[in-house]
Parts: sequence; C-alpha cells; structure tokens
Amino acid sequence: EVQLVESGGGLVQPGGSLRLSCAASGFTFSTFDMHWVRQATGKGLEWVSAIGTAGDTYYPGSVKGRFTISREIAKNSLFLQMNSLRAGDTAVYYCVRGRSSSWLFDCWGQGTLVTVSS
Amino acid sequence: DIQMTQSPSSLSASVGDRVTITCRASQSISSSLNWYQQKPGKAPNLLIYAASSLQSGVPSRFSGSGSGSDFTLTISSLQPEDFAIYYCQQSYSTPLTFGGGTKVEIK
Repeated sequence: EVQLVESGGGLVQPGGSLRLSCAASGFTFSTFDMHWVRQATGKGLEWVSAIGTAGDTYYPGSVKGRFTISREIAKNSLFLQMNSLRAGDTAVYYCVRGRSSSWLFDCWGQGTLVTVSS
Repeated sequence: DIQMTQSPSSLSASVGDRVTITCRASQSISSSLNWYQQKPGKAPNLLIYAASSLQSGVPSRFSGSGSGSDFTLTISSLQPEDFAIYYCQQSYSTPLTFGGGTKVEIK
C-alpha cells in the first residue's frame, strides 16, 4: 500500500523558515516524480514544487527563490525547505506522488499545516 | 501561466441526477487535463486523467471528455458519496495549475 506521511508543519513567524518532510513507502520511491501541493483553509489547490527522478526541480513564481524541494532516495524521503515565509504561505501542505512523465498527482499524503503568523 | 476556469463554482443536485462540470483552459492543453475529488478534511483523490481515462478503482458513473481547451466531467447518476468539491488540473506545462473548484451539494 502506498503511503505518504508528512511532518514538520507548525507555527512560524513571518520571515522565518520551516522544513517539511515526507516519508514514502509502498512503492519504488526513486522511480517517481514527487510534488508538494498546498491548500489554504477554505481555498483551492496550488502546486508548490516538483522534483523529477533525475533530481530536476520545478517551482511556480510564487515560491521560486524561497522554497527548495529535495529528496533522499536512501531514506525514501521528500523535503521542502521554506524560507522567507509570508502570511500567504499559510496552508495545508500535501506530499504527492506524480505519475511518471505526465505531471499528474496519483497519491496524496494527509497533509501538514503550516501557519505563518506573528 | 495557463489559467484554468471551472464552472459552475457550486451546484445543488439530488441523488440520481446527472451532473456536468466544465473546465476551460486559457490556451490549448491537448488532452493534458485531470480531475480530482476532495471530501471535507481529506486529501484530493484522482478520478480522471488525460481528459477521459478513468483512474483504477473509480466508479464508472464518472466520465471525462474534451480536448484542446474545453473539458467536461460528468457524473451519470449522483450518489450520496459524490457530494464533494471537484477540481480540474492541467498537466500540459509548468507551472501546473488547478481550476478553482466546483462544490457539489445536496439539493
């Protein structure tokens, strides 16, 4: 059974940093693209970052230069380093498995809440 | 960036009704369109990929159609467990983008 378990969310002040982690199991982690997708309370879905099987990374303009996605294959783990956090980054962050070469999201974690507030 | 526009933003329907949700892309995205269902407090779940392919395990009352810039999600006979929010997503190019969602409520 595919499982994605996020951790690392919490309360952080504006301008601060936070590192999210995602533990993957039940599939061959190294052969799948992985993503982070976020959702503010009561709002829609926003794609935040992707990392390909070759380690190539992708970001939307809203987080480029502030967020960094990475993965540790040996530990079946995905990470999101978030710097210079803003109130607008407050959301539930989902770790998501991508279907190979098709940029769609076929398995989701349960999410971890990040709150940026003073 | 490719903008995705869903309509309606919400609808009320009864069990057994046929429901149609539309999604329009700001430019042609071929068939690179996916649909997700999200229930309250839960993560989204993939329903349809590549515009019309049914994800494994998803009931056959769900179907998708369209290509280019106009797409449709149809629920042929609405069931109680289908009341949820539905999102479309383009997988044609980064940044990957979602529609604003359509909330399907009980009439």
